[in-house]
This record gives sequence, structure tokens and C-alpha cells, in this order.
Amino acid sequence: SAVISQKPSRDICQRGTSLTIQCQVDSQVTMMFWYRQQPGQSLTLIATANQGSEATYESGFVIDKFPISRPNLTFSTLTVSNMSPEDSSIYLCSAWGGRTEAFFGQGTRLTVV
Amino acid sequence: GENVEQHPSTLSVQEGDSAVIKCTYSDSASNYFPWYKQELGKRPQLIIDIRSNVGEKKDQRIAVTLNKTAKHFSLHITETQPEDSAVYFCAASKGNSGYALNFGKGTSLLVTP
Repeated sequence: SAVISQKPSRDICQRGTSLTIQCQVDSQVTMMFWYRQQPGQSLTLIATANQGSEATYESGFVIDKFPISRPNLTFSTLTVSNMSPEDSSIYLCSAWGGRTEAFFGQGTRLTVV
Repeated sequence: GENVEQHPSTLSVQEGDSAVIKCTYSDSASNYFPWYKQELGKRPQLIIDIRSNVGEKKDQRIAVTLNKTAKHFSLHITETQPEDSAVYFCAASKGNSGYALNFGKGTSLLVTP
């Protein structure tokens, strides 16, 4: 399967600021997704990153808070905007290249202080 | 939307015993059911998956069964080893590819020597 590079791997941010997380896949993939995993919890889908169009957000997540870009078939970014301590979590990028399984980046551990 | 329930939340077994984790899903349109293993601080890794046209699939010590009528699927690990200790997540998706995953809450498996 393809390899996902996600960065940064971790960051500590001040409340009110924004952080952009990058996800790079080493081959073209059909679909890319962003998940959030709070400590000790399961993965929750934030949105599907659509190539060349606006992302599709799940209930409870909005574009103003989590703007997403996907300019091509191998790259996506997630921005966590106007951060608060409640945004402290692990953010994971996932990609699906067709009939292969969905695979994940190593995650970005975000702490908001 | 899809709701995936997973039981038990924690499971402790002796090395060499079997472990069974069960999941139910709500959306009859779901047709792809992967299982992920996540070790502490690491990304989720696919260990086995099953599609709706198959009732059972086995890969060495790991097997998954699917009952579409009852909308439940199970992970079976035989001859458990300490390195099997991790959190296991089941998931469901409505597409063989290109669709987002809805995850269960996870099962923390501990295999004691």
C-alpha cells in the first residue's frame, strides 16, 4: 500500500491561533479523509477531502473551523482554526487508493494551551 | 448515519487463549468491514477486512466473521501472544472503496504471559 507522510507530528499551540497539518501520499489516491482521535477514544471522521472542490464535512464539523484543501490527488491540508483547549487531540489523515484498504498517516498530536 | 457498536471495551486473556471482539452496525447498506490494530502512540494498521459477499475470512491466527442478516461481525484471534496487546477497532463502510469509515469505540486487549 502507499505511504502517507503527515506533518507536523506534534505541536503545542496557543489558544486563538491556527495550525495547518499537511498530508502527502507517495502515489495518487482516490479519496482522502481527515479524522480526529481524542486521547483514549475512537476515530471520528471530520471530513472527506475532495480534489478540486470543497470538502464534505460530517455532522458537528464546519468549514470555518476546519478548512481543508486538496489541490491534487496526492496532497491535502487540514487547518484547525481559532484553537481552544478542546481541540487538543490527534488528527489523522487517511487515504484510499481504490480496492486496497484505507491507510493512515502517523497522526499529528495537537496540544492547545 | 451509520452507528457501529463494539464490545467489550476491555479484554484480558492469558497467552495462548483465544480472544473475540464483536461489533454491530446499523446501516444495512454497509458492505465493507475492516479491523484495525492500534498500538500506543502509533497509527491504526489494518489487520483483516471482509466484504459483504463473504461470510468468513481467515489469515493465520486472525479470522473475521460476518452475519449480514443480524448486522454483526466479529474478530477472532487464536493462540494469542503478548504482542497482540493493543487497541482494536472495527469499522463499517458503505463502499468497497472511496467511502469513509465509521469506527467502533475500540477494544483494549491485554494478553498476559
